[in-house]
Amino acid sequence: KQEVTQIPAALSVPEGENLVLNCSFTDSAIYNLQWFRQDPGKGLTSLLLIQSSQREQTSGRLNASLDKSSGRSTLYIAASQPGDSATYLCALTGSGNTGKLIFGQGTTLQVKP
Amino acid sequence: DGGITQSPKYLFRKEGQNVTLSCEQNLNHDAMYWYRQDPGQGLRLIYYSQIVNDFQKGDIAEGYSVSREKKESFPLTVTSAQKNPTAFYLCASSPGQGREKLFFGSGTQLSVL
Repeated sequence: KQEVTQIPAALSVPEGENLVLNCSFTDSAIYNLQWFRQDPGKGLTSLLLIQSSQREQTSGRLNASLDKSSGRSTLYIAASQPGDSATYLCALTGSGNTGKLIFGQGTTLQVKP
Repeated sequence: DGGITQSPKYLFRKEGQNVTLSCEQNLNHDAMYWYRQDPGQGLRLIYYSQIVNDFQKGDIAEGYSVSREKKESFPLTVTSAQKNPTAFYLCASSPGQGREKLFFGSGTQLSVL
């Protein structure tokens, strides 16, 4: 059974720092992996989607990488800002099903001014 | 202005009562999903629908029911059989069979009186 783990559960950094959020999964047979942002009491916003054939995706200050062989994905945030404070969740779609996402528990990030 | 609309934002359920959460999308997406989010946990899939008049159970379907009579609407009923309904409920949609980015509504917080 596929399991998705995000460590740490919470992270606090000073403004301007570059940081990496981690996501690990137990079964490398995935179709794609997404990173989401969730603000308190709100829905999720998709940040980046990486297909299984890709190694990374970039959007602005965000870069997501995927290493299927090691069962890992990372979300790199450059020059963090207080507005980046939120919970970040990774989720993947298995190769054998049609769209069911399996989510990690999320990492809650606080960027201090 | 396209998107997914969930209503109400807050909902209270009395003992033994059924309640229905609304989800409407004007994105012309085929697939729609209901997720449940509990504090400190990742999202868990309740039901999903890939086409009108068809839906499938997710990982935690017991105590819930859905319908998909129209492409744009996917209401979720929390029945009295669901003994622990207090949670944040999120509706999502995607263009095809869910292998693209998911778009989420803003959520409904359900509490038991």
